[in-house]
Amino acid sequence: NAGVTQTPKFRILKIGQSMTLQCTQDMNHNYMYWYRQDPGMGLKLIYYSVGAGITDKGEVPNGYNVSRSTTEDFPLRLELAAPSQTSVYFCASSFRQGGTYEQYFGPGTRLTVT
Amino acid sequence: RKEVEQDPGPFNVPEGATVAFNCTYSNSASQSFFWYRQDCRKEPKLLMSVYSSGNEDGRFTAQLNRASQYISLLIRDSKLSDSATYLCVVNEIGTYKYIFGTGTRLKVLA
Repeated sequence: NAGVTQTPKFRILKIGQSMTLQCTQDMNHNYMYWYRQDPGMGLKLIYYSVGAGITDKGEVPNGYNVSRSTTEDFPLRLELAAPSQTSVYFCASSFRQGGTYEQYFGPGTRLTVT
Repeated sequence: RKEVEQDPGPFNVPEGATVAFNCTYSNSASQSFFWYRQDCRKEPKLLMSVYSSGNEDGRFTAQLNRASQYISLLIRDSKLSDSATYLCVVNEIGTYKYIFGTGTRLKVLA
């Protein structure tokens, strides 16, 4: 049981390039999330999904796209990378435990755009 | 006013000390509350959920005060391994939206 896995761990992009951050979970969780964390800041929600085929925007969706074709996978696409997208990206999944949804995070992808 | 506010610290305490962190939230409709621990350059990991009646897990005790809209985390008998950033997380009722505080840094000194 690997939990939430993310690839790549690190990436350097040039301005204007595109890339896809991969996220997979093997816990059969319905809910999945993408966050970004800038230095000294809290996590900001980019996109989330409540199940296969259903996605919705979070607080900071501009410049990103997602898809959810299966329960396990939730890739995040960056189109036309900009320096403002330099950040650490965390994928998470959650399930309902009693009345709450506890989130479990992947190890993160450190992205630098230069 | 930020939706979730935490004192950034750092809190520098000696081993064996008791330390407490508070976190305030602005949305009275918030439903679920959590403390996460984040080590340097690592992902957040769930430390404990916070229940209305308060809950304890070993050396860690979490409390919720809905009237004053804050949650607290108490760590007793601090260990060097407790050094980390502690994130307060609030879930809004009826949504899958989690609001993260910026975290409180704890350094436990030998």
